[in-house]
Parts: sequence; structure tokens; C-alpha cells
Amino acid sequence: ELKVEQNPLFLSMQEGKNYTIYCNYSTTSDRLYWYRQDPGKSLESLFVLLSNGAVKQEGRLMASLDTKARLSTLHITAAVHDLSATYFCAVDRVWDDKIIFGKGTRLHILP
Amino acid sequence: DSGVTQTPKHLITATGQRVTLRCSPRSGDLSVYWYQQSLDQGLQFLIHYYNGEERAKGNILERFSAQQFPDLHSELNLSSLELGDSALYFCASSVDVNTGELFFGEGSRLTVL
Repeated sequence: ELKVEQNPLFLSMQEGKNYTIYCNYSTTSDRLYWYRQDPGKSLESLFVLLSNGAVKQEGRLMASLDTKARLSTLHITAAVHDLSATYFCAVDRVWDDKIIFGKGTRLHILP
Repeated sequence: DSGVTQTPKHLITATGQRVTLRCSPRSGDLSVYWYQQSLDQGLQFLIHYYNGEERAKGNILERFSAQQFPDLHSELNLSSLELGDSALYFCASSVDVNTGELFFGEGSRLTVL
């Protein structure tokens, strides 16, 4: 069974600091996705990582994928309050048509 | 706006009742996924349909069922409702069966009293 684990599950940090959210998954997959959810809102796609070594950046967020280690990271640079949200990683496998999400990391950035 | 429409947005009902949640995917998207989001439980995968055919099931209770119609909209039926079924139910669509980039609806918040 595919399991997706994120850590930390909750992170409170000061504006201007850097931090990394980790996403580990249990079985082989070459595709990983990051989503953002604001409180009471829907989920929005942030990054699509489709191969080993993939790196994507958007503003202060950068995501990377290491399929050999079954690990993806979401790095936040010089955090700002607007980045406060819950971030989910998700993994899919072509052969079983499921997309499994981690429990999410609730990020709270203090102004 | 993701282009995925879910109705109703809010629903309050009693234990033992049955409800139907509806989802219209983005124009052209053939895949529809249903997820349940409970407090502190993340997103639980329920079921995936592709072009009218069931493709995968997750931890979906036997009291729950779903289908995707020829016009590609989907319905999630929840019956014999229990207090623990109270949650936010999301529908998401994708352009084909082989991509995990999902576009989510706004969700249907179900409260069972």
C-alpha cells in the first residue's frame, strides 16, 4: 500500500526565515505533486515533478524530487505571511490509478 | 476558479439519511476523483472514475457509492449516514488517467447531526 508521509505536520516560523517541508513515500513512483490549501478553501496545484532530479521554483517556493530516496522537499525562502497555508504532497502510480495525499503541513508564518 | 463545480456547497442532515453530492469536471477532463477531508485526517482517497469507468477504489465505505455519467459529471452517494461521515468532500478532475495534476472543486461540506 502506498503511504505518503509529510513532516513536520505543523510549522510556525518567523517571516524572513528559510525552512523545508519533507515528503516521503513508500513505494516506487516517478511523479509527485505539491498543493496548497488556504483555510476553508479548495486545493490549488503548485508543482508537478515528473522525474528524478526534477526541480521547480515559483517565487519563494522551490520543490525537488529524489525518486531513489523516495523523497520530495518543498523549500521556503525568506518566508512571508502570505505563504501561511497547508501544503500537501501527493503521489501517484500509473498502474493503480490512485493519487494518495500526505496529511499536509500546516504552515503558520508570523509577521 | 478551477472550472470544477460541486453542489451543494453545504449540507446538513440527520443520521441514517442519504445524500448525493454532485461534481462537474473541467471541460474536457475525463478523470474524476473523490476525496474526503476530515479534521486532522488529510485527504482520504475514495474513488476514481475515468470516462465513465471505475478505475480505482480507496478506503470507501460500503455505504458510499459513486458513478460517472456519459456527460462526465459524477455523483457520490452517501447512505445510512453516521456522525463520523461529517466532512468536506472534494471532487477533482484531470485531463486524462495518467496525470496526477488535479483541479479541485470548492468542496461539499456535509454535517450529520
